[in-house]
Amino acid sequence: ETGVTQSPTHLIKTRGQQVTLRCSSQSGHNTVSWYQQALGQGPQFIFQYYREEENGRGNFPPRFSGLQFPNYSSELNVNALELDDSALYLCASSLGLGNTEAFFGQGTRLTVV
Amino acid sequence: GENVEQHPSTLSVQEGDSAVIKCTYSDSASNYFPWYKQELGKGPQLIIDIRSNVGEKKDQRIAVTLNKTAKHFSLHITETQPEDSAVYFCAASPLTGNQFYFGTGTSLTVIP
Repeated sequence: ETGVTQSPTHLIKTRGQQVTLRCSSQSGHNTVSWYQQALGQGPQFIFQYYREEENGRGNFPPRFSGLQFPNYSSELNVNALELDDSALYLCASSLGLGNTEAFFGQGTRLTVV
Repeated sequence: GENVEQHPSTLSVQEGDSAVIKCTYSDSASNYFPWYKQELGKGPQLIIDIRSNVGEKKDQRIAVTLNKTAKHFSLHITETQPEDSAVYFCAASPLTGNQFYFGTGTSLTVIP
């Protein structure tokens, strides 16, 4: 177990709705990164938070947004859901901004119908 | 941006044989290369990593090699066991902070 927990594990939403996914980072880790993994593909970087500030963003539209809280837990929000947003959403926690070990949670499976 | 290619996409080996998975990357600024194992219904699990100032790293049955000049790195699993069956992903990080670019994955099946 990595100590990174995500909730919920599964979610079904209707196109156009909004969704919030949550991630609790491993104890002592202050950096959280979010990834989208479509079926049969590698994870794609969405964005990263370090000490409550966004620190880098991948090629995702502004309707993907996030937050990091003082305890370093994080949320991923997606507005105006589209069918193509159906995927496994993963968060990874690590310590600092150097390239160090990053540990993933089990993911949230989002299905948009 | 960084582009990571991974081969093969599927790999079947007999138990006890070795398995090799290869990745190439495009950004010479990449300096950290982790490998993850993902089992069905689970998140990726870090199995080994290597930094650009090291050419090879080994951890029991798993080893990773890095050729910076050719921009490729490989995962070697020796004495494979059925529990090694999973999808393996390579990744490269061209910046600080673990903003990874992943390969497309290799589905490894170890046949008992």
